Amino acid sequence: DTGVSQNPRHKITKRGQNVTFRCDPISEHNRLYWYRQTLGQGPEFLTYFQNEAQLEKSRLLSDRFSAERPKGSFSTLEIQRTEQGDSAMYLCASSRTGEAESPLHFGNGTRLTVT
Amino acid sequence: KNEVEQSPQNLTAQEGEFITINCSYSVGISALHWLQQHPGGGIVSLFMLSSGKKKHGRLIATINIQEKHSSLHITASHPRDSAVYICAVRSNKAAGNKLTFGGGTRVLVKP
Repeated sequence: DTGVSQNPRHKITKRGQNVTFRCDPISEHNRLYWYRQTLGQGPEFLTYFQNEAQLEKSRLLSDRFSAERPKGSFSTLEIQRTEQGDSAMYLCASSRTGEAESPLHFGNGTRLTVT
Repeated sequence: KNEVEQSPQNLTAQEGEFITINCSYSVGISALHWLQQHPGGGIVSLFMLSSGKKKHGRLIATINIQEKHSSLHITASHPRDSAVYICAVRSNKAAGNKLTFGGGTRVLVKP
């Protein structure tokens, strides 16, 4: 078990470009979450998947954002037509369902800088 | 008002001192998490609790459900404890394991 893996670690892009991030959760975890964190703030929920189904999306997730988890394993988060306000750390976390609440396991995040 | 409030926002301590971080929340919860975030972004889960008290090494977490309050204590603090400590709650109305986070408490322990 290598934990939750996120790629890339850093991404610098120009305003208006599209970017895609990838998250590989812990293999037996069926829940996957995306959070966004700006400097000095706690993470904010964006969306979550149970297996391949996207069960909830935050109002923070504008129509420029799309997330997929096609086979219920890895997930991608795409931001189209990036804006400077999109600059943040994008965190992925995973957990498994079960009778007992399972703690979240976080990746190291992808830091996006939009210039 | 945020659903999860932490205090203080910043804390500086001398090595060996006892540290307390507070978390208050305004919603009914099924669980509260304490997490540690080091520079560079990685978040580690320290505790998950729904009642009472948990201890792990020099860390102690307590929760009072009636008062909607939790505390994280660090005994005999050490410079390697320097990090951001984040409180997060799972609302008892939330689907999945979605968490709502506090803003974090930045802790610096000086040698």
